[in-house]
Amino acid sequence: SQKIEQNSEALNIQEGKTATLTCNYTNYSPAYLQWYRQDPGRGPVFLLLIRENEKEKRKERLKVTFDTTLKQSLFHITASQPADSATYLCALYSLDTGRRALTFGSGTRLQVQP
Amino acid sequence: NAGVTQTPKFQVLKTGQSMTLQCAQDMNHNSMYWYRQDPGMGLRLIYYSASEGTTDKGEVPNGYNVSRLNKREFSLRLESAAPSQTSVYFCASGTGVADTQYFGPGTRLTVL
Repeated sequence: SQKIEQNSEALNIQEGKTATLTCNYTNYSPAYLQWYRQDPGRGPVFLLLIRENEKEKRKERLKVTFDTTLKQSLFHITASQPADSATYLCALYSLDTGRRALTFGSGTRLQVQP
Repeated sequence: NAGVTQTPKFQVLKTGQSMTLQCAQDMNHNSMYWYRQDPGMGLRLIYYSASEGTTDKGEVPNGYNVSRLNKREFSLRLESAAPSQTSVYFCASGTGVADTQYFGPGTRLTVL
């Protein structure tokens, strides 16, 4: 069956360290993978998009990698700050689903301690 | 620009009641989406509209209907609410089906 897996346990790190979040997928051939941030009580907000032919994408302190062999995307936040505390969702677009829409993972909560 | 707006913000229904959740976007986007979010389940797609005049089922369409009223508006209707439909509902829009999605603030629905 098709699955998108993100660590359901919260990730706790110290301020200034690099946070690394993982998104693994099974039985998809995604053309795109996106990462979103969601704060409590709010809708998700887009952060980064990476295509299947791209290995890495950066935006300020954020970096996303995409390994189609491992079927995995890693999301990094360098020099993390308490304001980075939120839930991070990965989403992929793949015609394997039979739908012209994104499929979301369940998210990983990041807690950055001051 | 208001972005994506949703009404109402909160709603409590009794089992069997009906209601319509409204969504509007002012970004001239072609695609619009309805999701539900339950604890530990992530966002699950209910219905989507890739362009004005079209609607398609998502992952969990049972018990729901949608209307793409025009390019701006996409409504979600619960004809006979059930406790299993207690959830947070998000509307989103995007320029194309694989592109960035912009989400509304959500509607928190409780069905008793």
